[in-house]
Amino acid sequence: NAGVMQNPRHLVRRRGQEARLRCSPMKGHSHVYWYRQLPEEGLKFMVYLQKENIIDESGMPKERFSAEFPKEGPSILRIQQVVRGDSAAYFCASSLLDSAQGGSGNTIYFGEGSWLTVV
Amino acid sequence: GNSVTQMEGPVTLSEEAFLTINCTYTATGYPSLFWYVQYPGEGLQLLLKATKADDKGSNKGFEATYRKETTSFHLEKGSVQVSDSAVYFCALPGNTPLVFGKGTRLSVIA
Repeated sequence: NAGVMQNPRHLVRRRGQEARLRCSPMKGHSHVYWYRQLPEEGLKFMVYLQKENIIDESGMPKERFSAEFPKEGPSILRIQQVVRGDSAAYFCASSLLDSAQGGSGNTIYFGEGSWLTVV
Repeated sequence: GNSVTQMEGPVTLSEEAFLTINCTYTATGYPSLFWYVQYPGEGLQLLLKATKADDKGSNKGFEATYRKETTSFHLEKGSVQVSDSAVYFCALPGNTPLVFGKGTRLSVIA
């Protein structure tokens, strides 16, 4: 049973370009989460999605950032017109159930991350 | 909202030393509690969890007990190895799917 798959693992972009990060959740998981980790900092929640729906985007910057989880295919985190401050590790995670529910189904599993460097 | 506070790092220990990383939480109700570990250059891996008060989560020699009286979920290991060098995060569900502590970097030297 494959885990959460993210690609690319490493991405270098020049300022002003677009970065597109992909995430395939664990098999059977329909809840997807994106987190950002800045150098030497903890993880900051960005967005929570279910298939075709954004459930919570309270952690997403208002501009340049967007996320989707289409009916078919991986979840995509898109960053337009990247700036140096966007350089970070972006982690995708998934769960079987809503993480707020009790029991084992709410456990969140993380991918290995996509490291974005903006030069 | 729910939150966690972890001890600041870095923590440097010699091999076979005893490890404690403190984590206290503030929460409404009794949510599940988690410890995640991040090895250098990798993503977060679930280390252990506890789903109710007095539960003890354990994995790879690490243990943590969900204590509601002290609102704590301290991580312990009796004898650390060099391979345990990593960043450890305490977490619980909150207003966002998981609220993380700032992480505690552990370095184990031979």
